[in-house]
Amino acid sequence: DTGVSQNPRHKITKRGQNVTFRCDPISEHNRLYWYRQTLGQGPEFLTYFQNEAQLEKSRLLSDRFSAERPKGSFSTLEIQRTEQGDSAMYLCASSAQGARNTEAFFGQGTRLTVV
Amino acid sequence: QKEVEQNSGPLSVPEGAIASLNCTYSDRGSQSFFWYRQYSGKSPELIMFIYSNGDKEDGRFTAQLNKASQYVSLLIRDSQPSDSATYLCAAPQGGASGGSYIPTFGRGTSLIVHP
Repeated sequence: DTGVSQNPRHKITKRGQNVTFRCDPISEHNRLYWYRQTLGQGPEFLTYFQNEAQLEKSRLLSDRFSAERPKGSFSTLEIQRTEQGDSAMYLCASSAQGARNTEAFFGQGTRLTVV
Repeated sequence: QKEVEQNSGPLSVPEGAIASLNCTYSDRGSQSFFWYRQYSGKSPELIMFIYSNGDKEDGRFTAQLNKASQYVSLLIRDSQPSDSATYLCAAPQGGASGGSYIPTFGRGTSLIVHP
């Protein structure tokens, strides 16, 4: 399967714990995006990488959130000291280098539940 | 704040009818537009994209773009119950740091096709 892969698919954690999610983009894609989606809403942008460089970060993103993309391949999203409001679907998408017209493809998502 | 706006619905149509889904955007710099379909509990799946003013047809789907009015729509002909899903409109919009174009999503329109 050469699509975007996310792990884990589901995560239940206690409030205050740290969690880390992984995204493996489509191999030839150099752009990678993280989004968060809650019920009834569209995907909300969190952060963007071009290769290993983190070029954009949402102003809404708490300092408890951090993302990395070492070597420009897979990416990780870490949430420290989780809160119940962090419960959501975390989506990763990737797209190819080129003009701004390139389409983004999504992984299956990681559903986080903070109890 | 650059935005993509959609009516959340639900839009209910009978089987066999034409479903019309609408989207407006605020960033006049957007040059490409994407429609994603999202089934409940699943991640968004790209179904159509359009770059030029006018219509683009793909099977039962037609995307329509009017850049002057900053309006994009998706028509689904001969709607089937399997088309019941949330349809997300997306446009790359300029990031805060400049130079990056981030796929920005509307909240999605829920479509219900009833037999």
